[in-house]
Amino acid sequence: DTGVSQNPRHKITKRGQNVTFRCDPISEHNRLYWYRQTLGQGPEFLTYFQNEAQLEKSRLLSDRFSAERPKGSFSTLEIQRTEQGDSAMYLCASSFGLLEQYFGPGTRLTVT
Amino acid sequence: DQQVKQNSPSLSVQEGRISILNCDYTNSMFDYFLWYKKYPAEGPTFLISISSIKDKNEDGRFTVFLNKSAKHLSLHIVPSQPGDSAVYFCAASAQGAGSYQLTFGKGTKLSVIP
Repeated sequence: DTGVSQNPRHKITKRGQNVTFRCDPISEHNRLYWYRQTLGQGPEFLTYFQNEAQLEKSRLLSDRFSAERPKGSFSTLEIQRTEQGDSAMYLCASSFGLLEQYFGPGTRLTVT
Repeated sequence: DQQVKQNSPSLSVQEGRISILNCDYTNSMFDYFLWYKKYPAEGPTFLISISSIKDKNEDGRFTVFLNKSAKHLSLHIVPSQPGDSAVYFCAASAQGAGSYQLTFGKGTKLSVIP
């Protein structure tokens, strides 16, 4: 399977705990994006990497959120001190240059 | 402030007929537009895109039309098939302004009735 992969697919955590998600992009893609989707809404942009450089960040990305893309390959998104409002589907996408973005299956986070 | 709007939450179409999904945008900096299809519990799947230098792009049963003066685009699916039943999202980016993030609408749920 050469598509975008995300792990875990589902995560249930208690409020106040830290969680980390992983995204493996399509191998030749140099750009990687994180989005968040809540029920009834379209995906909302969080952040974007070109190779290992983080170039854009949304105001949705509070201080509790951090993303990394070491060596320009896979990426991790960490949420510290989770809140119930963080419950959502977290989507990763990748692209080659300016072309269309291809999405992974997402990680569904539930904060209890 | 919703910059990309899909005003029809749902649409039902008979199999074999044309499905037309509409999308309006407000940001005049948007210059690249995409349509995605999404099934439950899956990520969005890319369907078709169009640059602002074109007014039409076709790929098999899918055609996207762009009317820049009206800030409106539409996706035509002909003929519609039951497997097309999904939520369709319109998305836009302002690549000319150096922004590659996609701004999505809220989606339109298409049901194709056999």
